[in-house]
Amino acid sequence: ETGVTQSPTHLIKTRGQQVTLRCSSQSGHNTVSWYQQALGQGPQFIFQYYREEENGRGNFPPRFSGLQFPNYSSELNVNALELDDSALYLCASSLVVAGTETQYFGPGTRLLVL
Amino acid sequence: AQKITQTQPGMFVQEKEAVTLDCTYDTSDPSYGLFWYKQPSSGEMIFLIYQGSYDQQNATEGRYSLNFQKARKSANLVISASQLGDSAMYFCAMREENYGGATNKLIFGTGTLLAVQP
Repeated sequence: ETGVTQSPTHLIKTRGQQVTLRCSSQSGHNTVSWYQQALGQGPQFIFQYYREEENGRGNFPPRFSGLQFPNYSSELNVNALELDDSALYLCASSLVVAGTETQYFGPGTRLLVL
Repeated sequence: AQKITQTQPGMFVQEKEAVTLDCTYDTSDPSYGLFWYKQPSSGEMIFLIYQGSYDQQNATEGRYSLNFQKARKSANLVISASQLGDSAMYFCAMREENYGGATNKLIFGTGTLLAVQP
């Protein structure tokens, strides 16, 4: 158990809609990262938040946006959904263990866009 | 640019035997970290083991060990005494160890599907 939870577990949307995915991490994990994992691929970095500020972004368009809250929860918002947005979305919170920062992942949200 | 390559799409291993999953990486940064994660069919990425680029010894965590060959830029995962529960996707990942507030994003490979046979 990593202590990282995500909701919902599964979601079906139609093209053009908007979606909000949620993540809750452990107390003290002040960095959260979001990844998109398409079928048969490794996770791709979307962005990272540190102390409620965006701290880096991958090659994703602006319709992917996020928020981090003081209570260690986080949101990923995707506007104008496209078919290619169908994927497993993973959030990961970071903890320094033995001097190195390790990302611990939640169970993911499976998004299907029809 | 950073890149992780996992050339084995799938592997079979007999229960109780050892198996090696290959990972090669490419980076121009002298300071980096290498990770292995396990992903069962449920989807959660489970952290297994970490190796820092300056670590002198290979990392070990229980039945997992990392065969780190810096000159060859390889970081192979060795699982000893395989168990049926080890059947899953395994991902190698890399992070540039830039401190001072830089993004600590992970770059993942495409994964290796391990099937443990009884």
